[in-house]
Amino acid sequence: GENVEQHPSTLSVQEGDSAVIKCTYSDSASNYFPWYKQELGKGPQLIIDIRSNVGEKKDQRIAVTLNKTAKHFSLHITETQPEDSAVYFCAAVNDYKLSFGAGTTVTVRA
Amino acid sequence: EAQVTQNPRYLITVTGKKLTVTCSQNMNHEYMSWYRQDPGLGLRQIYYSMNVEVTDKGDVPEGYKVSRKEKRNFPLILESPSPNQTSLYFCASSSPGVAGSNTGELFFGEGSRLTVL
Repeated sequence: GENVEQHPSTLSVQEGDSAVIKCTYSDSASNYFPWYKQELGKGPQLIIDIRSNVGEKKDQRIAVTLNKTAKHFSLHITETQPEDSAVYFCAAVNDYKLSFGAGTTVTVRA
Repeated sequence: EAQVTQNPRYLITVTGKKLTVTCSQNMNHEYMSWYRQDPGLGLRQIYYSMNVEVTDKGDVPEGYKVSRKEKRNFPLILESPSPNQTSLYFCASSSPGVAGSNTGELFFGEGSRLTVL
Protein backbone atom coordinates (compact mmCIF):
# COMPACT_ATOMS: atom_id res chain seq x y z
CA GLY A 1 0.00 0.00 0.00
CA GLU A 2 0.85 3.66 -0.03
CA ASN A 3 3.36 5.02 2.48
CA VAL A 4 3.50 8.75 3.10
CA GLU A 5 6.36 10.22 5.11
CA GLN A 6 6.12 13.78 6.42
CA HIS A 7 8.89 16.00 7.81
CA PRO A 8 9.49 17.69 10.12
CA SER A 9 7.20 16.49 12.90
CA THR A 10 7.43 19.87 14.66
CA LEU A 11 8.29 23.29 13.29
CA SER A 12 8.68 26.54 15.19
CA VAL A 13 8.96 29.75 13.19
CA GLN A 14 9.08 33.45 13.95
CA GLU A 15 6.02 35.40 12.87
CA GLY A 16 6.61 36.70 9.35
CA ASP A 17 9.05 33.94 8.40
CA SER A 18 8.31 31.08 6.01
CA ALA A 19 7.45 27.49 6.88
CA VAL A 20 8.10 24.48 4.68
CA ILE A 21 6.76 20.96 5.20
CA LYS A 22 7.85 18.07 2.98
CA CYS A 23 6.18 14.77 2.15
CA THR A 24 7.22 11.76 0.14
CA TYR A 25 5.00 8.98 -1.15
CA SER A 26 5.66 5.51 -2.49
CA ASP A 27 2.80 4.62 -4.85
CA SER A 28 3.27 6.08 -8.31
CA ALA A 29 -0.47 5.57 -8.96
CA SER A 30 -1.36 8.29 -6.44
CA ASN A 31 -2.69 11.26 -8.37
CA TYR A 32 -4.12 13.73 -5.89
CA PHE A 33 -2.24 15.39 -3.02
CA PRO A 34 -4.23 17.47 -0.53
CA TRP A 35 -3.01 19.32 2.54
CA TYR A 36 -5.16 19.60 5.65
CA LYS A 37 -4.90 21.91 8.65
CA GLN A 38 -6.16 20.76 12.02
CA GLU A 39 -6.76 23.23 14.82
CA LEU A 40 -7.03 22.09 18.41
CA GLY A 41 -10.20 20.13 19.09
CA LYS A 42 -11.41 20.24 15.51
CA GLY A 43 -11.48 18.07 12.44
CA PRO A 44 -8.96 18.67 9.64
CA GLN A 45 -9.82 21.21 6.95
CA LEU A 46 -8.49 21.33 3.41
CA ILE A 47 -6.19 24.28 2.79
CA ILE A 48 -4.78 23.48 -0.63
CA ASP A 49 -4.44 20.55 -2.99
CA ILE A 50 -2.61 19.62 -6.15
CA ARG A 51 -3.23 17.02 -8.81
CA SER A 52 -0.63 14.95 -10.59
CA ASN A 53 -0.86 16.90 -13.83
CA VAL A 54 0.23 20.12 -12.11
CA GLY A 55 3.65 21.02 -10.71
CA GLU A 56 2.80 23.99 -8.53
CA LYS A 57 -0.24 25.74 -7.11
CA LYS A 58 -0.54 28.90 -5.05
CA ASP A 59 -3.31 30.42 -2.97
CA GLN A 60 -2.37 33.70 -1.30
CA ARG A 61 0.31 32.85 1.31
CA ILE A 62 0.15 29.12 0.72
CA ALA A 63 1.78 27.18 -2.10
CA VAL A 64 2.26 23.52 -2.88
CA THR A 65 4.80 21.94 -5.24
CA LEU A 66 4.79 18.43 -6.63
CA ASN A 67 7.66 16.45 -8.12
CA LYS A 68 6.15 13.28 -9.55
CA THR A 69 9.45 11.85 -10.66
CA ALA A 70 10.92 12.06 -7.18
CA LYS A 71 7.56 11.31 -5.53
CA HIS A 72 7.61 14.24 -3.20
CA PHE A 73 5.48 17.29 -2.56
CA SER A 74 5.86 20.27 -0.27
CA LEU A 75 3.76 22.91 1.47
CA HIS A 76 5.10 26.44 1.70
CA ILE A 77 3.58 29.07 3.97
CA THR A 78 4.96 32.58 3.60
CA GLU A 79 4.63 35.53 6.00
CA THR A 80 3.45 33.25 8.80
CA GLN A 81 0.91 34.57 11.27
CA PRO A 82 -0.16 33.33 14.73
CA GLU A 83 -3.32 31.81 13.23
CA ASP A 84 -1.13 29.52 11.14
CA SER A 85 -0.26 27.61 14.33
CA ALA A 86 -1.85 24.18 13.91
CA VAL A 87 -1.14 20.60 12.88
CA TYR A 88 -0.72 20.10 9.14
CA PHE A 89 -1.23 16.80 7.33
CA CYS A 90 -0.25 15.88 3.81
CA ALA A 91 -2.02 13.06 2.00
CA ALA A 92 -1.68 10.99 -1.14
CA VAL A 93 -4.79 9.71 -2.87
CA ASN A 94 -5.10 6.76 -5.21
CA ASP A 95 -8.63 6.11 -6.41
CA TYR A 96 -10.69 6.06 -3.20
CA LYS A 97 -7.87 5.31 -0.79
CA LEU A 98 -6.24 8.11 1.17
CA SER A 99 -2.95 7.83 3.03
CA PHE A 100 -1.94 10.62 5.39
CA GLY A 101 1.42 11.66 6.70
CA ALA A 102 2.00 11.65 10.46
CA GLY A 103 1.49 15.40 10.74
CA THR A 104 3.58 18.51 11.46
CA THR A 105 2.87 20.69 14.47
CA VAL A 106 3.59 24.28 13.44
CA THR A 107 4.06 26.93 16.09
CA VAL A 108 4.34 30.57 15.04
CA ARG A 109 6.15 32.67 17.66
CA ALA A 110 5.00 36.27 18.04
CA GLU B 1 -25.16 24.66 7.18
CA ALA B 2 -23.09 21.99 5.44
CA GLN B 3 -21.72 19.62 8.00
CA VAL B 4 -20.67 16.14 9.05
CA THR B 5 -22.08 15.16 12.44
CA GLN B 6 -20.61 12.45 14.62
CA ASN B 7 -22.03 10.99 17.81
CA PRO B 8 -21.02 10.47 20.49
CA ARG B 9 -18.21 13.02 20.75
CA TYR B 10 -16.79 11.32 23.83
CA LEU B 11 -17.23 7.77 25.04
CA ILE B 12 -15.64 5.62 27.70
CA THR B 13 -16.51 1.95 27.47
CA VAL B 14 -15.21 -1.44 28.55
CA THR B 15 -13.61 -4.24 26.60
CA GLY B 16 -16.11 -6.33 24.66
CA LYS B 17 -19.11 -4.02 24.91
CA LYS B 18 -20.40 -3.39 21.39
CA LEU B 19 -20.68 0.23 20.36
CA THR B 20 -21.62 2.27 17.32
CA VAL B 21 -20.36 5.69 16.35
CA THR B 22 -22.80 7.40 14.06
CA CYS B 23 -21.91 9.72 11.19
CA SER B 24 -24.30 11.78 9.13
CA GLN B 25 -23.71 14.34 6.36
CA ASN B 26 -26.14 16.80 4.80
CA MET B 27 -24.20 17.58 1.61
CA ASN B 28 -25.51 14.69 -0.52
CA HIS B 29 -21.96 13.36 -0.83
CA GLU B 30 -21.45 9.95 -2.36
CA TYR B 31 -18.11 9.22 -0.70
CA MET B 32 -17.78 8.73 3.06
CA SER B 33 -14.91 7.38 5.12
CA TRP B 34 -13.69 6.73 8.65
CA TYR B 35 -10.25 7.48 10.11
CA ARG B 36 -8.55 7.02 13.40
CA GLN B 37 -5.98 9.52 14.65
CA ASP B 38 -3.22 8.40 16.99
CA PRO B 39 -0.18 10.40 18.19
CA GLY B 40 2.74 10.04 15.81
CA LEU B 41 0.71 8.06 13.28
CA GLY B 42 -1.45 10.74 11.72
CA LEU B 43 -4.80 9.76 10.28
CA ARG B 44 -5.30 6.20 9.12
CA GLN B 45 -8.20 5.16 6.95
CA ILE B 46 -10.39 2.43 8.45
CA TYR B 47 -13.16 1.96 5.88
CA TYR B 48 -14.62 3.95 3.04
CA SER B 49 -17.81 3.90 1.01
CA MET B 50 -18.13 5.02 -2.59
CA ASN B 51 -21.93 5.02 -2.48
CA VAL B 52 -24.93 3.30 -0.89
CA GLU B 53 -24.25 -0.40 -0.26
CA VAL B 54 -20.66 -0.07 -1.56
CA THR B 55 -17.90 -0.21 1.06
CA ASP B 56 -14.26 -1.24 1.15
CA LYS B 57 -11.43 -1.63 3.61
CA GLY B 58 -8.87 1.04 4.27
CA ASP B 59 -5.49 0.49 5.88
CA VAL B 60 -6.64 -0.52 9.39
CA PRO B 61 -10.04 -2.28 9.15
CA GLU B 62 -9.44 -5.02 11.74
CA GLY B 63 -11.96 -4.90 14.59
CA TYR B 64 -14.34 -2.53 12.79
CA LYS B 65 -17.46 -2.87 10.67
CA VAL B 66 -19.39 -0.33 8.63
CA SER B 67 -22.63 -0.15 6.72
CA ARG B 68 -24.04 2.28 4.16
CA LYS B 69 -27.76 1.76 3.88
CA GLU B 70 -28.53 5.42 3.22
CA LYS B 71 -26.51 8.02 1.42
CA ARG B 72 -26.30 10.40 4.37
CA ASN B 73 -25.30 7.90 7.10
CA PHE B 74 -22.16 5.84 7.58
CA PRO B 75 -21.96 4.28 11.07
CA LEU B 76 -18.79 2.72 12.46
CA ILE B 77 -19.37 -0.41 14.52
CA LEU B 78 -16.99 -1.90 17.06
CA GLU B 79 -18.41 -5.36 17.76
CA SER B 80 -16.01 -6.20 20.59
CA PRO B 81 -13.88 -3.16 21.43
CA SER B 82 -10.39 -3.67 22.81
CA PRO B 83 -8.02 -1.18 24.49
CA ASN B 84 -5.96 -0.82 21.29
CA GLN B 85 -9.01 0.80 19.70
CA THR B 86 -8.74 3.72 22.10
CA SER B 87 -8.34 6.60 19.71
CA LEU B 88 -9.78 9.75 18.18
CA TYR B 89 -12.10 8.87 15.30
CA PHE B 90 -13.09 11.07 12.39
CA CYS B 91 -15.76 10.61 9.78
CA ALA B 92 -15.47 12.49 6.49
CA SER B 93 -17.42 12.90 3.29
CA SER B 94 -16.62 14.11 -0.20
CA SER B 95 -18.10 14.66 -3.61
CA PRO B 96 -16.26 13.16 -6.60
CA GLY B 97 -13.03 14.83 -7.57
CA VAL B 98 -11.96 16.10 -10.93
CA ALA B 99 -9.13 15.39 -13.32
CA GLY B 100 -8.95 11.67 -12.77
CA SER B 101 -9.39 11.51 -9.02
CA ASN B 102 -12.36 9.82 -7.45
CA THR B 103 -12.19 11.96 -4.33
CA GLY B 104 -12.32 15.69 -3.87
CA GLU B 105 -12.17 17.82 -0.74
CA LEU B 106 -12.90 15.86 2.41
CA PHE B 107 -15.25 17.43 4.93
CA PHE B 108 -14.52 16.11 8.41
CA GLY B 109 -16.68 15.81 11.46
CA GLU B 110 -15.55 17.15 14.83
CA GLY B 111 -14.24 13.79 15.98
CA SER B 112 -15.23 11.14 18.51
CA ARG B 113 -12.83 10.38 21.32
CA LEU B 114 -13.18 6.76 22.37
CA THR B 115 -11.57 5.17 25.40
CA VAL B 116 -11.78 1.40 25.87
CA LEU B 117 -10.88 0.19 29.38
